[in-house]
Amino acid sequence: GENVEQHPSTLSVQEGDSAVIKCTYSDSASNYFPWYKQELGKGPQLIIDIRSNVGEKKDQRIAVTLNKTAKHFSLHITETQPEDSAVYFCAASPQGRLYFGRGTQLTVWP
Amino acid sequence: KAGVTQTPRYLIKTRGQQVTLSCSPISGHRSVSWYQQTPGQGLQFLFEYFSETQRNKGNFPGRFSGRQFSNSRSEMNVSTLELGDSALYLCASRAGTELYNEQFFGPGTRLTVL
Repeated sequence: GENVEQHPSTLSVQEGDSAVIKCTYSDSASNYFPWYKQELGKGPQLIIDIRSNVGEKKDQRIAVTLNKTAKHFSLHITETQPEDSAVYFCAASPQGRLYFGRGTQLTVWP
Repeated sequence: KAGVTQTPRYLIKTRGQQVTLSCSPISGHRSVSWYQQTPGQGLQFLFEYFSETQRNKGNFPGRFSGRQFSNSRSEMNVSTLELGDSALYLCASRAGTELYNEQFFGPGTRLTVL
């Protein structure tokens, strides 16, 4: 089955700096790549996603890039704020089922 | 539109017991998936139901089962509980008519097995 690797496992940045989280996947059949943010005591919240026919997508301070040839995709958060602190998960989906990375604990210091 | 709801939010059981968790998807969504989240294994797929039929299944023992009702609400059951079943169980719903549909998660049920 699909194998998703996510790096780094922890990331600390100063408020206003950018944060980048990277993921790789193994199954070339994967065609949908969502990113989730999970705050303490809550379920994962979908923040952005990208499909395999698109190379980049942006939504305000958040952007995601996808390189199908290299089988990797990344999340970019610009102008980070303390409320961005959470665990972020990448996922890959070959046919509806989600395979998740192990998560990145992002801490934004004021 | 109301989000995905899960009940109960917290459960404490002892080894050998069984448990049933409930999930109500977003109105209009026909697909419900279940995931187990633990610190050691991360987020793992259990199964997906669409129109009352199991459409996909992860690598979990037969003690884990589920079903979906005609109103799309879903339940999952774990029999003969083990200590290792302690986890956050998450339900996710999507429209289900296309493979790319976004999945929206509920808050989860925190199960503790003593």
